[in-house]
Amino acid sequence: QVQLQESGPGLVTPSQTLSLTCTVSGGSISSGGYFWSWIRQHPGKGLEWIGYIYYSGSTYHNPSLKSRVTISVDTSKNQFSLKLSSVTAADTAVYYCASLYYYDSSGYLHWYFDLWGRGTLVTVSS
Amino acid sequence: QSALTQPRSVSGSPGQSVTISCTGTSSDVGGYNYVSWYQQHPGKAPKLMIYDVSKRPSGVPDRFSGSKSGNTASLTISGLQAEDEADYYCCSYAGSYTLLFGGGTKLTVL
Repeated sequence: QVQLQESGPGLVTPSQTLSLTCTVSGGSISSGGYFWSWIRQHPGKGLEWIGYIYYSGSTYHNPSLKSRVTISVDTSKNQFSLKLSSVTAADTAVYYCASLYYYDSSGYLHWYFDLWGRGTLVTVSS
Repeated sequence: QSALTQPRSVSGSPGQSVTISCTGTSSDVGGYNYVSWYQQHPGKAPKLMIYDVSKRPSGVPDRFSGSKSGNTASLTISGLQAEDEADYYCCSYAGSYTLLFGGGTKLTVL
């Protein structure tokens, strides 16, 4: 059974870069049909899609965050990562990694997050 | 891009049915059959409940159903149970490889 687990610092200094890694276990990140995604949730608020990456390296980002977001993939480690630059207190949130099911073996398109990590709280504070 | 519009809260008694709406535009909800719904209990990660507007993943009770009319999608929970009390979020494909979430709805089981 595929599982996802986020890891990274829980505290980041303002103006620095937030860095998180998601490790995929029980399956290959290189299997087609999935985008590997980052989503965040501000305290007491709703979900915000950050962006996602295909195993080939193609990335797509939320336009509202695009200039600060870098998503990368390391297929040899079965991991993908998020970097968010120039953080402020407004970036304090629980960050989730998730698998976005994009298309199936018959070629039909889908767009839903079928598996999520447990999430990790990142606080931006000096 | 603006978030999809959901009611902030809904409530119902055990055994009753409730419906949560998710309103977007012709560029997202109305333009694609790629609406999904997620259940989130406090302190937990979201869980997929409905995908492709009306399909249920394996393991999700058939008390949960989804539908769409025009620019509004809906999640209906019938035979409410105490364990259904949670936050619910809709999500829609919005074209150009982008996604939109709704603001979330808190379901209270009275």
